[in-house]
Amino acid sequence: EIVLTQSPDFQSVTPKEKVTITCRASRTVGSSLHWYQQKPDQSPKLLIKYASQSVSGVPSRFSGSGSGTDFTLTINNLEAEDAAVYYCHQSSGLPFTFGPGTKVEIK
Amino acid sequence: QVQLVESGGGVVQPGRSLTLSCAASGFTFSSYAIHWVRQAPGKGLEWVAIIYRDGSERYYGDSVKGRFTISRDNSRDTLYLQMNSLIAEDTAVYYCAREGDTNGWNWFDPWGQGTLVTVSS
Repeated sequence: EIVLTQSPDFQSVTPKEKVTITCRASRTVGSSLHWYQQKPDQSPKLLIKYASQSVSGVPSRFSGSGSGTDFTLTINNLEAEDAAVYYCHQSSGLPFTFGPGTKVEIK
Repeated sequence: QVQLVESGGGVVQPGRSLTLSCAASGFTFSSYAIHWVRQAPGKGLEWVAIIYRDGSERYYGDSVKGRFTISRDNSRDTLYLQMNSLIAEDTAVYYCAREGDTNGWNWFDPWGQGTLVTVSS
């Protein structure tokens, strides 16, 4: 099983700041790494696919990078509505796995 | 619009069975593999199972293998999850999620709103 770890677990930031979340895989997943946002009492929403590909309807302040085992989700000019838990997910191999999540709180 | 709607959740005693449904609309259901993903209260996401678009292949997470069965009825645009021998650790919100593309393993999009299963005596 491919284990995904995320850092940090929690981040408290002020609006307009930049947020960087990292996801590390226990073995290479190529670019088969995706990012989701989950707000309280909502289902997860796709943010970034295949490490760095943008998703229609997602604000351009969200971007992704990385390949192999190390990946980054960046949120530029953080807005209040970005308060959520962010998960990475690998589709390289079974079983599909998710990172433990990073909670972003707005100060 | 593309939509998935889960139903069938509820409170069930340990050892009993429950079947969840996921109704799809807004896309050609038979062209996509579909997943079940669950989330225990206050916890992260756990992948449960996938069924290929024609039902020819199914795979499960280790924690549910041998107890849960994923199936689909393409004539009804509906996905199912039969859950047997339920234990407290199966308590979670269960989401169905569509494969992001018609081929291979990809991202999950969209997700349903989820249905809560509580296993308790």
